[in-house]
Amino acid sequence: GAGVSQSPSNKVTEKGKDVELRCDPISGHTALYWYRQSLGQGLEFLIYFQGNSAPDKSGLPSDRFSAERTGGSVSTLTIQRTQQEDSAVYLCASSSWGDYGYTFGSGTRLTVV
Amino acid sequence: GDSVTQMEGPVTLSEEAFLTINCTYTATGYPSLFWYVQYPGEGLQLLLKATKADDKGSNKGFEATYRKETTSFHLEKGSVQVSDSAVYFCALSDTGANSKLTFGKGITLSVRP
Repeated sequence: GAGVSQSPSNKVTEKGKDVELRCDPISGHTALYWYRQSLGQGLEFLIYFQGNSAPDKSGLPSDRFSAERTGGSVSTLTIQRTQQEDSAVYLCASSSWGDYGYTFGSGTRLTVV
Repeated sequence: GDSVTQMEGPVTLSEEAFLTINCTYTATGYPSLFWYVQYPGEGLQLLLKATKADDKGSNKGFEATYRKETTSFHLEKGSVQVSDSAVYFCALSDTGANSKLTFGKGITLSVRP
């Protein structure tokens, strides 16, 4: 596609429920990143996929968070047993090999009530 | 670990005023430096970058120079416009292309007509 696509754009969920957030990167981009943007906290790195290499999961805040990338393209970020502190905008970005800049999607705003 | 510090905001300027947004960093090695911008209701966009010391990144009238001696990457524009109103994020990547970014907390710029 022309840009990075994320869905849904907004998600309201009850505390304790599981949620899945989807990211469709730009076609041909080998690298895919997930970040979290919380009010007053800036952007927090979550996880990074590069080609067929093992993902860098060093930013995942707890074992309730996981992500996968199927076929080197679409990625899903899953949050299990959501908590109110998980409320944030979840941003996905992709980049092509050797590229210093990312292209970000518009994000998924998650609200846990 | 790596970190990016941005000046406290928000910043409000009149149209055609001079803009400086300060950014300093802490990193091992020789990071690449970036400014990203988030316009209201839109996703993050790369504004400019510099990948080595003394490089100057520029775009849309904005400039920033990579100063290794002061570990800074201040963003400047000679004459701001109302359309520059946005949130600006300074970021670094410490391992070159296709690597995770560490972001500052961002600063909101409002430009009055």
